[in-house]
Amino acid sequence: DGGITQSPKYLFRKEGQNVTLSCEQNLNHDAMYWYRQDPGQGLRLIYYSQIVNDFQKGDIAEGYSVSREKKESFPLTVTSAQKNPTAFYLCASRADGNTIYFGEGSWLTVV
Amino acid sequence: GQQLNQSPQSMFIQEGEDVSMNCTSSSIFNTWLWYKQEPGEGPVLLIALYKAGELTSNGRLTAQFGITRKDSFLNISASIPSDVGIYFCAGQKDSGYALNFGKGTSLLVTP
Repeated sequence: DGGITQSPKYLFRKEGQNVTLSCEQNLNHDAMYWYRQDPGQGLRLIYYSQIVNDFQKGDIAEGYSVSREKKESFPLTVTSAQKNPTAFYLCASRADGNTIYFGEGSWLTVV
Repeated sequence: GQQLNQSPQSMFIQEGEDVSMNCTSSSIFNTWLWYKQEPGEGPVLLIALYKAGELTSNGRLTAQFGITRKDSFLNISASIPSDVGIYFCAGQKDSGYALNFGKGTSLLVTP
């Protein structure tokens, strides 16, 4: 099955901890994205990567970090510097042209 | 990135009614996309528009790319209960840019 796989679906973080959300795609897409979704806020861009070993900050990158060592993988680390990390996180990748497809999302809750 | 103006914010309609929602921007976009999101899931692409003036249908859904390239609308005809969800518009300037999203239109359909 081709697609974008995010894991875990649910994650709990203690204050002061770093956590990493996984995003894997087998669609052979070059570009990958991380969005954060809060109620009533729509989707806000955290980081994006157009190609392996390159990534750019989005609108709300503070407190987050990413890596892009392989084309298929774009993990997102939520660091302790992110003061309000509880949200729904969405990974996406872009096909040729401008169409962007999303994974099923990961819920992160601070406890 | 710019957040798009999407309206209405929510709609509560009866099964069988037609639905119309729109999205506007102060910037020109070269691509408009419409997504549907169900609770706890990632957005699913409904319709992609690549050309000003383009009118595209997908079953009961019809979307148009505005002539000015600053707006788009989505119509749903003869709504059914499974149309319930949040509908997002997204615009993109060029393939090198990430998507800009509206805040979503929440649709509720009563039988």
